[in-house]
Amino acid sequence: KQEVTQIPAALSVPEGENLVLNCSFTDSAIYNLQWFRQDPGKGLTSLLLIQSSQREQTSGRLNASLDKSSGRSTLYIAASQPGDSATYLCAVAYSGAGSYQLTFGKGTKLSVIP
Amino acid sequence: KAGVTQTPRYLIKTRGQQVTLSCSPISGHRSVSWYQQTPGQGLQFLFEYFSETQRNKGNFPGRFSGRQFSNSRSEMNVSTLELGDSALYLCASSAGSLSGANVLTFGAGSRLTVL
Repeated sequence: KQEVTQIPAALSVPEGENLVLNCSFTDSAIYNLQWFRQDPGKGLTSLLLIQSSQREQTSGRLNASLDKSSGRSTLYIAASQPGDSATYLCAVAYSGAGSYQLTFGKGTKLSVIP
Repeated sequence: KAGVTQTPRYLIKTRGQQVTLSCSPISGHRSVSWYQQTPGQGLQFLFEYFSETQRNKGNFPGRFSGRQFSNSRSEMNVSTLELGDSALYLCASSAGSLSGANVLTFGAGSRLTVL
């Protein structure tokens, strides 16, 4: 059974700081790994998708890496802004299920203090 | 290009009632999947439909069911509601390919409160 863990559960940083969010998963049989952002009471916004054959993806101030062999991914946010405050979720698409389904971590709640 | 549309956005039901939630996927997408989000359990997979066939189902009781129509729109139904069914129900659509390039787009969710 695929399990996804995110550390830390919550993080508070001053504006402008660079930060790293961590994600680990137990089964390396994955199609891809995605990072999502969720604002309170809202749906999910996809930030980055890393396919299993890739090592990293970048979008603006965000960079995500994937080490499938060790079951780890990191999301790096550069020069954080108050608008980055949200819950960040990591999810893996397990390739052994015969369907396309995501297993999510519990998320990291980020607060960026002005 | 319209996104994933979920209706209703909010609803309140009482224990024992049933509820039907609707999801309209992005045009051209053939896969619709459903997830339940609660504070305690986080996001959990309910089921996935592809071209009107259920491809997989998560670990939920038989009270949770779904279907997909020929136009790819999907509905999920929860019968005999329990307090623990209170949650945000998220629908996601995609092309449905079993590959690393497949991307899920999520709707805004339907928030169900069971009293």
